[in-house]
Amino acid sequence: DAGVIQSPRHEVTEMGQEVTLRCKPISGHNSLFWYRQTMMRGLELLIYFNNNVPIDDSGMPEDRFSAKMPNASFSTLKIQPSEPRDSAVYFCASTRGGNQETQYFGPGTRLLVL
Amino acid sequence: RKEVEQDPGPFNVPEGATVAFNCTYSNSASQSFFWYRQDCRKEPKLLMSVYSSGNEDGRFTAQLNRASQYISLLIRDSKLSDSATYLCVVSPWNFNKFYFGSGTKLNVKP
Repeated sequence: DAGVIQSPRHEVTEMGQEVTLRCKPISGHNSLFWYRQTMMRGLELLIYFNNNVPIDDSGMPEDRFSAKMPNASFSTLKIQPSEPRDSAVYFCASTRGGNQETQYFGPGTRLLVL
Repeated sequence: RKEVEQDPGPFNVPEGATVAFNCTYSNSASQSFFWYRQDCRKEPKLLMSVYSSGNEDGRFTAQLNRASQYISLLIRDSKLSDSATYLCVVSPWNFNKFYFGSGTKLNVKP
């Protein structure tokens, strides 16, 4: 079975540009999470969805960040405009739902904003 | 205060050694506990869940101490392949949300 799929795997962009990260969760999973990982701050939860509905976006750093989940098999995280401090690895993870479930992570998108 | 705190290490140990990590959590209502492993430049992967009575999986033993609000991971007979960062994860009882520690780095040397 395919795991969580993320694209692109690497993204290099210039400050001020729009960046869109994509995620396809594991089929049948009801919850989807977006995380950001940096050396300084570790793994931070940005937002999570249950059944395509955003439940908690308190981790989204500011209005420049937005996330959508139009259907059960696709989610996007958008940064507009991007800034150098947004450089990080962005992971998407999915679970079957419930806090006792294993999170399955995608391979991540390495974002560098120049 | 962070939800989950870990010693970042690194822990440098020889092959065959026994090593233990602790992780403390701040929310006494936390319900679910996990250890994840993350290899360099890779995604985190579940190592094991942590149950109230403690649990073992081969060379790995996890313990939960609710009174002192910490969980531990013990690795026996360390292998070179155990070198990784170990992430402690906690989830509160009423939310489908997971808090990750910043990780403890383990280097197992020949």
